[in-house]
Amino acid sequence: GAVVSQHPSWVICKSGTSVKIECRSLDFQATTMFWYRQFPKQSLMLMATSNEGSKATYEQGVEKDKFLINHASLTLSTLTVTSAHPEDSSFYICSARDLRGGETQYFGPGTRLLVL
Amino acid sequence: KQEVTQIPAALSVPEGENLVLNCSFTDSAIYNLQWFRQDPGKGLTSLLLIQSSQREQTSGRLNASLDKSSGRSTLYIAASQPGDSATYLCAVLSGGYQKVTFGTGTKLQVIP
Repeated sequence: GAVVSQHPSWVICKSGTSVKIECRSLDFQATTMFWYRQFPKQSLMLMATSNEGSKATYEQGVEKDKFLINHASLTLSTLTVTSAHPEDSSFYICSARDLRGGETQYFGPGTRLLVL
Repeated sequence: KQEVTQIPAALSVPEGENLVLNCSFTDSAIYNLQWFRQDPGKGLTSLLLIQSSQREQTSGRLNASLDKSSGRSTLYIAASQPGDSATYLCAVLSGGYQKVTFGTGTKLQVIP
């Protein structure tokens, strides 16, 4: 149980295009989902907290207009990297917290983005 | 602010050896701690989750222990195999806002 999926697992795009990454909780409902980013040789860092039906809360230094987060349902959150640039190339991972309670975050496998 | 440190940053061992990876955290008021493996070019895989009330978890050749009072966790890998080669991350859930803080990882290479 408590499986989180991400799609796509790999994406390569041209500079200037937008990329959407999906995060789904497969066997539970999640009012809260989290998005993390990992730059090479650095630890994963929280980008934003996404709550179903409301605006996401972004961490300091993360551009909300560049990283659009939509949490339209209890099982799906999307992260859209708008007008992607090579410096946005990174590993993006989401996690979800079960609606039924508990603090544990269940992590997706991650998405590797390469912007050319 | 929670800080998570993993030592060593890299480790190379011959196949068959037992090994220990270390994770330390500064704020002992944690909810849980997770160990992950990250394979090059691939995604993150959750290995073990230890709740704050637990002292250890086991899965196959892996055993993770947690000592909250000293702010430490260890991941023990028995009889290492080349397929164990990966980067191992620990992540701590803590704080009033229940944030996850990741360590920078230990890159393990098991030599056949």
